[in-house]
Amino acid sequence: DGGITQSPKYLFRKEGQNVTLSCEQNLNHDAMYWYRQDPGQGLRLIYYSQIVNDFQKGDIAEGYSVSREKKESFPLTVTSAQKNPTAFYLCASSIDLAADTQYFGPGTRLTVL
Amino acid sequence: GENVEQHPSTLSVQEGDSAVIKCTYSDSASNYFPWYKQELGKRPQLIIDIRSNVGEKKDQRIAVTLNKTAKHFSLHITETQPEDSAVYFCAAMDDSGGYNKLIFGAGTRLAVHP
Repeated sequence: DGGITQSPKYLFRKEGQNVTLSCEQNLNHDAMYWYRQDPGQGLRLIYYSQIVNDFQKGDIAEGYSVSREKKESFPLTVTSAQKNPTAFYLCASSIDLAADTQYFGPGTRLTVL
Repeated sequence: GENVEQHPSTLSVQEGDSAVIKCTYSDSASNYFPWYKQELGKRPQLIIDIRSNVGEKKDQRIAVTLNKTAKHFSLHITETQPEDSAVYFCAAMDDSGGYNKLIFGAGTRLAVHP
Protein backbone atom coordinates (compact mmCIF):
# COMPACT_ATOMS: atom_id res chain seq x y z
CA ASP A 1 0.00 0.00 0.00
CA GLY A 2 3.02 2.27 -0.09
CA GLY A 3 2.35 2.70 -3.81
CA ILE A 4 -0.67 4.91 -3.36
CA THR A 5 -0.22 8.45 -2.12
CA GLN A 6 -2.50 11.33 -1.29
CA SER A 7 -1.82 15.01 -0.81
CA PRO A 8 -2.10 17.14 1.11
CA LYS A 9 -2.41 15.38 4.45
CA TYR A 10 -4.41 18.29 5.92
CA LEU A 11 -6.46 20.80 3.97
CA PHE A 12 -8.42 23.78 5.16
CA ARG A 13 -11.07 25.37 3.04
CA LYS A 14 -13.21 28.43 3.39
CA GLU A 15 -16.89 28.11 2.71
CA GLY A 16 -17.71 28.64 -0.95
CA GLN A 17 -14.33 27.45 -2.22
CA ASN A 18 -13.60 24.44 -4.39
CA VAL A 19 -10.63 22.31 -3.37
CA THR A 20 -8.91 19.43 -5.14
CA LEU A 21 -7.45 16.41 -3.37
CA SER A 22 -4.70 14.50 -5.08
CA CYS A 23 -4.41 10.71 -5.39
CA GLU A 24 -1.56 8.99 -7.21
CA GLN A 25 -0.69 5.30 -7.53
CA ASN A 26 2.25 3.50 -9.07
CA LEU A 27 0.77 0.01 -8.69
CA ASN A 28 -0.40 -0.14 -12.33
CA HIS A 29 -3.94 -0.60 -11.05
CA ASP A 30 -6.82 0.08 -13.41
CA ALA A 31 -9.47 0.78 -10.78
CA MET A 32 -9.44 3.71 -8.38
CA TYR A 33 -11.92 4.85 -5.74
CA TRP A 34 -12.69 7.76 -3.47
CA TYR A 35 -14.26 7.24 -0.05
CA ARG A 36 -15.41 9.61 2.62
CA GLN A 37 -15.03 8.73 6.30
CA ASP A 38 -16.95 10.47 9.07
CA PRO A 39 -16.53 9.81 12.80
CA GLY A 40 -18.43 6.74 13.94
CA GLN A 41 -19.25 5.72 10.40
CA GLY A 42 -17.80 3.35 7.89
CA LEU A 43 -16.34 4.39 4.57
CA ARG A 44 -18.79 5.60 1.95
CA LEU A 45 -18.05 5.51 -1.76
CA ILE A 46 -18.01 8.86 -3.59
CA TYR A 47 -16.73 7.99 -7.07
CA TYR A 48 -14.93 5.16 -8.77
CA SER A 49 -13.10 4.69 -12.03
CA GLN A 50 -12.28 1.52 -13.87
CA ILE A 51 -10.17 2.99 -16.65
CA VAL A 52 -8.74 6.23 -17.98
CA ASN A 53 -11.39 8.76 -19.02
CA ASP A 54 -14.14 6.76 -17.37
CA PHE A 55 -15.66 7.23 -13.92
CA GLN A 56 -18.95 6.56 -12.20
CA LYS A 57 -20.84 8.00 -9.25
CA GLY A 58 -20.84 6.10 -6.00
CA ASP A 59 -23.32 6.40 -3.16
CA ILE A 60 -22.63 10.01 -2.14
CA ALA A 61 -21.39 11.80 -5.29
CA GLU A 62 -23.37 15.02 -4.87
CA GLY A 63 -21.07 18.02 -4.44
CA TYR A 64 -18.00 16.17 -5.72
CA SER A 65 -16.33 15.78 -9.09
CA VAL A 66 -13.43 13.69 -10.40
CA SER A 67 -11.28 13.21 -13.45
CA ARG A 68 -9.17 10.33 -14.73
CA GLU A 69 -6.85 11.68 -17.40
CA LYS A 70 -4.01 9.36 -16.46
CA LYS A 71 -4.01 5.82 -15.15
CA GLU A 72 -1.92 6.85 -12.16
CA SER A 73 -4.01 9.81 -11.06
CA PHE A 74 -7.57 10.25 -9.79
CA PRO A 75 -8.06 13.72 -8.28
CA LEU A 76 -11.20 14.59 -6.33
CA THR A 77 -12.67 18.09 -6.30
CA VAL A 78 -14.87 19.04 -3.39
CA THR A 79 -17.12 21.77 -4.70
CA SER A 80 -18.96 24.51 -2.88
CA ALA A 81 -22.15 22.50 -3.49
CA GLN A 82 -21.04 19.91 -0.93
CA LYS A 83 -22.97 20.97 2.15
CA ASN A 84 -20.86 19.26 4.79
CA PRO A 85 -17.40 18.61 3.38
CA THR A 86 -15.43 18.31 6.62
CA ALA A 87 -14.28 14.69 6.69
CA PHE A 88 -11.40 12.31 6.15
CA TYR A 89 -11.04 11.38 2.47
CA LEU A 90 -9.48 8.11 1.41
CA CYS A 91 -8.40 7.09 -2.04
CA ALA A 92 -8.03 3.42 -2.94
CA SER A 93 -7.04 1.32 -5.90
CA SER A 94 -7.39 -2.26 -7.07
CA ILE A 95 -6.10 -4.23 -10.01
CA ASP A 96 -9.46 -3.82 -11.69
CA LEU A 97 -13.12 -3.52 -10.73
CA ALA A 98 -13.45 -7.28 -10.54
CA ALA A 99 -10.69 -7.54 -7.97
CA ASP A 100 -11.53 -8.09 -4.33
CA THR A 101 -8.66 -6.36 -2.60
CA GLN A 102 -8.46 -2.59 -2.41
CA TYR A 103 -5.38 -0.74 -1.20
CA PHE A 104 -5.82 2.56 0.54
CA GLY A 105 -3.85 5.78 0.50
CA PRO A 106 -2.96 7.62 3.72
CA GLY A 107 -5.92 9.99 3.50
CA THR A 108 -6.56 13.73 3.46
CA ARG A 109 -8.31 15.43 6.33
CA LEU A 110 -10.40 18.32 4.98
CA THR A 111 -11.71 20.97 7.34
CA VAL A 112 -14.05 23.75 6.32
CA LEU A 113 -13.48 26.93 8.27
CA GLY B 1 -28.07 -3.46 -2.30
CA GLU B 2 -25.86 -4.74 0.47
CA ASN B 3 -26.08 -3.47 4.05
CA VAL B 4 -23.48 -4.31 6.70
CA GLU B 5 -23.98 -3.90 10.44
CA GLN B 6 -21.08 -4.16 12.87
CA HIS B 7 -21.07 -4.68 16.66
CA PRO B 8 -19.94 -3.56 19.12
CA SER B 9 -19.03 0.03 18.29
CA THR B 10 -16.47 0.07 21.10
CA LEU B 11 -14.66 -2.78 22.82
CA SER B 12 -12.30 -2.61 25.76
CA VAL B 13 -10.23 -5.62 26.82
CA GLN B 14 -7.26 -6.38 29.03
CA GLU B 15 -3.99 -7.33 27.41
CA GLY B 16 -3.92 -11.07 26.80
CA ASP B 17 -7.69 -11.42 26.56
CA SER B 18 -9.54 -12.26 23.37
CA ALA B 19 -11.62 -9.81 21.35
CA VAL B 20 -14.51 -10.66 19.05
CA ILE B 21 -16.17 -8.30 16.57
CA LYS B 22 -19.28 -9.36 14.69
CA CYS B 23 -20.81 -8.25 11.41
CA THR B 24 -24.00 -9.14 9.62
CA TYR B 25 -24.79 -8.59 5.96
CA SER B 26 -28.00 -8.56 3.99
CA ASP B 27 -27.17 -9.80 0.47
CA SER B 28 -26.80 -13.55 0.33
CA ALA B 29 -24.96 -13.16 -2.99
CA SER B 30 -22.00 -11.42 -1.32
CA ASN B 31 -18.94 -13.63 -1.55
CA TYR B 32 -15.98 -11.72 -0.17
CA PHE B 33 -15.54 -10.33 3.34
CA PRO B 34 -12.40 -8.38 4.26
CA TRP B 35 -11.41 -6.90 7.60
CA TYR B 36 -9.44 -3.66 7.80
CA LYS B 37 -7.51 -2.19 10.72
CA GLN B 38 -7.18 1.57 10.94
CA GLU B 39 -4.90 3.24 13.44
CA LEU B 40 -5.62 6.81 14.40
CA GLY B 41 -5.20 9.16 11.44
CA LYS B 42 -3.83 6.44 9.20
CA ARG B 43 -5.01 4.44 6.23
CA PRO B 44 -7.11 1.27 6.61
CA GLN B 45 -4.99 -1.82 6.15
CA LEU B 46 -6.28 -5.21 5.17
CA ILE B 47 -5.56 -7.70 7.95
CA ILE B 48 -7.52 -10.76 6.88
CA ASP B 49 -10.26 -11.72 4.46
CA ILE B 50 -12.50 -14.67 3.76
CA ARG B 51 -14.39 -15.87 0.74
CA SER B 52 -17.78 -17.53 0.80
CA ASN B 53 -16.46 -20.97 -0.02
CA VAL B 54 -14.56 -21.08 3.28
CA GLY B 55 -15.96 -21.20 6.81
CA GLU B 56 -12.90 -20.12 8.76
CA LYS B 57 -9.49 -18.63 8.14
CA LYS B 58 -6.68 -18.04 10.58
CA ASP B 59 -3.50 -15.98 10.49
CA GLN B 60 -1.47 -16.16 13.69
CA ARG B 61 -3.54 -14.40 16.38
CA ILE B 62 -6.29 -13.35 14.01
CA ALA B 63 -9.12 -15.49 12.71
CA VAL B 64 -12.28 -14.86 10.78
CA THR B 65 -15.36 -17.09 10.70
CA LEU B 66 -18.21 -16.96 8.21
CA ASN B 67 -21.73 -18.34 8.60
CA LYS B 68 -23.38 -18.01 5.20
CA THR B 69 -26.72 -19.35 6.36
CA ALA B 70 -27.01 -16.76 9.10
CA LYS B 71 -25.24 -14.11 6.99
CA HIS B 72 -22.76 -13.13 9.62
CA PHE B 73 -19.00 -13.14 9.97
CA SER B 74 -16.73 -12.43 12.90
CA LEU B 75 -13.19 -11.33 13.65
CA HIS B 76 -11.41 -13.03 16.52
CA ILE B 77 -8.21 -11.67 18.01
CA THR B 78 -6.51 -13.83 20.62
CA GLU B 79 -3.83 -12.83 23.13
CA THR B 80 -4.49 -9.16 22.49
CA GLN B 81 -1.65 -6.67 22.74
CA PRO B 82 -1.70 -2.88 23.16
CA GLU B 83 -0.68 -2.48 19.51
CA ASP B 84 -3.95 -4.15 18.51
CA SER B 85 -5.71 -0.98 19.65
CA ALA B 86 -7.31 0.55 16.57
CA VAL B 87 -10.59 0.83 14.71
CA TYR B 88 -11.57 -2.33 12.86
CA PHE B 89 -13.90 -2.32 9.86
CA CYS B 90 -15.64 -5.25 8.29
CA ALA B 91 -16.88 -5.12 4.72
CA ALA B 92 -18.85 -7.18 2.27
CA MET B 93 -18.42 -7.25 -1.49
CA ASP B 94 -21.53 -6.22 -3.43
CA ASP B 95 -21.47 -6.89 -7.17
CA SER B 96 -25.12 -6.08 -7.82
CA GLY B 97 -24.15 -2.93 -9.74
CA GLY B 98 -22.03 -4.83 -12.24
CA TYR B 99 -18.78 -4.13 -10.43
CA ASN B 100 -17.27 -5.12 -7.11
CA LYS B 101 -18.17 -2.55 -4.46
CA LEU B 102 -17.13 -2.83 -0.85
CA ILE B 103 -19.83 -1.98 1.69
CA PHE B 104 -18.30 -1.17 5.06
CA GLY B 105 -19.58 -1.58 8.58
CA ALA B 106 -19.47 1.44 10.90
CA GLY B 107 -16.35 0.25 12.67
CA THR B 108 -15.37 -1.02 16.12
CA ARG B 109 -12.95 0.90 18.28
CA LEU B 110 -10.84 -1.65 20.15
CA ALA B 111 -8.85 -0.57 23.19
CA VAL B 112 -6.39 -3.03 24.71
CA HIS B 113 -5.28 -2.02 28.19
CA PRO B 114 -1.92 -3.16 29.57
